[in-house]
Amino acid sequence: SAVISQKPSRDICQRGTSLTIQCQVDSQVTMMFWYRQQPGQSLTLIATANQGSEATYESGFVIDKFPISRPNLTFSTLTVSNMSPEDSSIYLCSVEALTDTQYFGPGTRLTVL
Amino acid sequence: GNSVTQMEGPVTLSEEAFLTINCTYTATGYPSLFWYVQYPGEGLQLLLKATKADDKGSNKGFEATYRKETTSFHLEKGSVQVSDSAVYFCALRSGGSNYKLTFGKGTLLTVNP
Repeated sequence: SAVISQKPSRDICQRGTSLTIQCQVDSQVTMMFWYRQQPGQSLTLIATANQGSEATYESGFVIDKFPISRPNLTFSTLTVSNMSPEDSSIYLCSVEALTDTQYFGPGTRLTVL
Repeated sequence: GNSVTQMEGPVTLSEEAFLTINCTYTATGYPSLFWYVQYPGEGLQLLLKATKADDKGSNKGFEATYRKETTSFHLEKGSVQVSDSAVYFCALRSGGSNYKLTFGKGTLLTVNP
């Protein structure tokens, strides 16, 4: 399985600011994903991070709010823009290797005041 | 569309008790099925998986069997420990190039000494 790290592990931010979350994998992977887990809830897929092209967003998520970069096969960033308290969540990246199994990073715990 | 229905929690057990967490699914085709575990303050870890009917996934004393006839993937453990206290998520992935994971709502398990 892949080893995935995320930075920062947690942050407390002010309303109206933006935060960029980094996801690093220890091996090259084709598929990388970003999820949101709101307090006490299950996981919701935000988007698929595509290497060399624009991310593919799920219904209800837009690029202006959650811009994503994927400059290579081991790294991706998710930015949460113009934050409000409703954005307080855990944000997780995941990767899928050849085994059709997704592995998750440790998550970034975001609190917006 | 795909969906996963998981037993509502929370579930509270005494150490060494038998655990069952029910999971049923609706999907087209032949999905792969997963159980993920989220320990307090951490990200998701893959617990076990099964990729075809009658497969049994197992790990750390946990087991789940892919039952196509009942569209179920119930998680069981014969003797739980305090360290098993966590949130458990059932998930499915449709076959082939459809990478999207569909999660259940999660079941909080608390094991008391």
